[in-house]
Amino acid sequence: GAVVSQHPSRVICKSGTSVKIECRSLDFQATTMFWYRQFPKQSLMLMATSNEGSKATYEQGVEKDKFLINHASLTLSTLTVTSAHPEDSSFYICSALRTSGRFNEQYFGPGTRLTVT
Amino acid sequence: GESVGLHLPTLSVQEGDNSIINCAYSNSASDYFIWYKQESGKGPQFIIDIRSNMDKRQGQRVTVLLNKTVKHLSLQIAATQPGDSAVYFCAEKRGGNQFYFGTGTSLTVIP
Repeated sequence: GAVVSQHPSRVICKSGTSVKIECRSLDFQATTMFWYRQFPKQSLMLMATSNEGSKATYEQGVEKDKFLINHASLTLSTLTVTSAHPEDSSFYICSALRTSGRFNEQYFGPGTRLTVT
Repeated sequence: GESVGLHLPTLSVQEGDNSIINCAYSNSASDYFIWYKQESGKGPQFIIDIRSNMDKRQGQRVTVLLNKTVKHLSLQIAATQPGDSAVYFCAEKRGGNQFYFGTGTSLTVIP
């Protein structure tokens, strides 16, 4: 199956700093990627849709200036958490959309655990 | 976000028994559904999917049932094994390419 990677897998940062998380599709090109966040023992919440070469589309209630998304190539999307605070601590998961004929398949990365101290 | 921020319901089954995990979805316009398995600290893993023009689909040891009348989805796992212990989520696609996840169920298989 298709492979999506995320880097880093874990990151600890101090409050007020910014953190960048990378999402890469390793064996296919993805014009569309998605970013989710997940709190412990809860579901995945879609944050935004990342579109190659254009602005990301954010879900209602997600601050676009707080969570900067850049999809500069067909295999890479980045999520930058700006001025991080402890409440931003979460598990961030990306997925990449692979177009195959009539159907689109979504492949998930392994996630990034962010801890803000 | 569209996901519900509730704590996960749990299901415990004996090894070898069948498991049924349920999911209620919210949008009658959703046309595609996927069940995912998520192990601790990992990303979701595709299990099985179903389109809205179907009411049943079978895979290897898994069956998904879709009842559009009541907006209900279920995942049946036959002969549940310890390796099936994980959290299971249903996800619905509404129109575009975005998927919205349900609450999830934590399945524990007792050896």
